[in-house]
Amino acid sequence: ETGVTQTPRHLVMGMTNKKSLKCEQHLGHNAMYWYKQSAKKPLELMFVYSLEERVENNSVPSRFSPECPNSSHLFLHLHTLQPEDSALYLCASSQDRGYWNEQFFGPGTRLTVL
Amino acid sequence: TQLLEQSPQFLSIQEGENLTVYCNSSSVFSSLQWYRQEPGEGPVLLVTVVTGGEVKKLKRLTFQFGDARKDSSLHITAAQPGDTGLYLCAGAEAGGFKTIFGAGTRLFVKA
Repeated sequence: ETGVTQTPRHLVMGMTNKKSLKCEQHLGHNAMYWYKQSAKKPLELMFVYSLEERVENNSVPSRFSPECPNSSHLFLHLHTLQPEDSALYLCASSQDRGYWNEQFFGPGTRLTVL
Repeated sequence: TQLLEQSPQFLSIQEGENLTVYCNSSSVFSSLQWYRQEPGEGPVLLVTVVTGGEVKKLKRLTFQFGDARKDSSLHITAAQPGDTGLYLCAGAEAGGFKTIFGAGTRLFVKA
């Protein structure tokens, strides 16, 4: 238990569906992250929020839409996804943004797009 | 673009054996971290190395940061089935906020 929870743990959706992934951290951290993990590929950083403000968006397609309503919660809204978007989506948090801060990861949401 | 290459990609060994996995780059990093990810879980930080040439030990695990801060190794002594998992290295770009991850080494230790 790292203090970061993600729901749902597994999600299967069609290409025309709209769904949302939820992340909650109970650590009092100020920075939160979304990563995509595909088999045999490095973790890809998608979005970074610091104090509820999006500070990084790494050329992610617009079919992925993040939302950070407060410093404890982070959402990833999904719509009209493609099969190649199937992956493990990991949420992480750290005390502050910056490489010297340890990132605490949630267990991930395993997403399958049919 | 900074890249971290990890080798080997996959390693299957018997309990009690020793092993070393590597993390290499042509870029210099401010620090380098090693994570272990078990099936169905997110990565968990094992260690952070900061100084070139630094060696850190965590029980049977020994981590070394290269003198030039471009590479790192993880050595496991007398591997146990509980060491099974995906080992990820992550480098922090010098002067920035970004952390770059490698693709990982998947280790399987057979009893």
